[in-house]
Amino acid sequence: SFVLTQPPSVSVAPGKTARIPCGGDNIGSKSVHWYQKKPGQAPVMVINYDSDRPSGIPGRFSGSNSGNTATLTISRVEAEDEADYYCQVYDISSDHRVFGGGTKLTVL
Amino acid sequence: QLQESGPGLVKPSGTLSLTCAVSGGYLNSNNWWSWVRQAPGKGLEWIGEIYRSGTTNYNPSLKSRLTVSLDQSKSQFSLTLTSVTAADTAVYYCARVGGATKGPFDIWGQGTMVIVSS
Repeated sequence: SFVLTQPPSVSVAPGKTARIPCGGDNIGSKSVHWYQKKPGQAPVMVINYDSDRPSGIPGRFSGSNSGNTATLTISRVEAEDEADYYCQVYDISSDHRVFGGGTKLTVL
Repeated sequence: QLQESGPGLVKPSGTLSLTCAVSGGYLNSNNWWSWVRQAPGKGLEWIGEIYRSGTTNYNPSLKSRLTVSLDQSKSQFSLTLTSVTAADTAVYYCARVGGATKGPFDIWGQGTMVIVSS
């Protein structure tokens, strides 16, 4: 089945930009969704369809998707952004949904 | 709104059964209804899903033990996982796939912790 690869961790200083990659074979041909997961809370969708930001999500969150890598970008990082982030796609060839392994964002 | 319910403790080799109540009468809408879990210290794992027609899709790693079903009259869908082991200990979430089949999980339940232990 389709595999999504994320780095286990990313660290960034407050006010800087964090970029979280999600790799997959020709992932640019798929729609990628991103979720923020904090301990004890349900996941929250922060980006859908590669780059669309749901209402209520700060404009600091953006996404892109091309070739073999999708990227979640968080600008002007704040302490509250510290969380695990997961990318996710629907694999039409298998009718399965797939999550990346998740990336822990640490705000220094 | 989605709300999971079910036993918080299941014995090894037993059956795990959870229900997700869907409020607002949306169960008959053009959406897939999914289960997702997160084991302690692990990432999110898609379990399986069901459409209003009763069509299902399952994670191949769980398919032999898994059943997802729908009860329109009660506005709920359910998960049944047989022959459970400690590896099935996790927080289980129900979630709606918004819009098209390839859409995101746009609504989530709060999650329910299930521990497999004797």
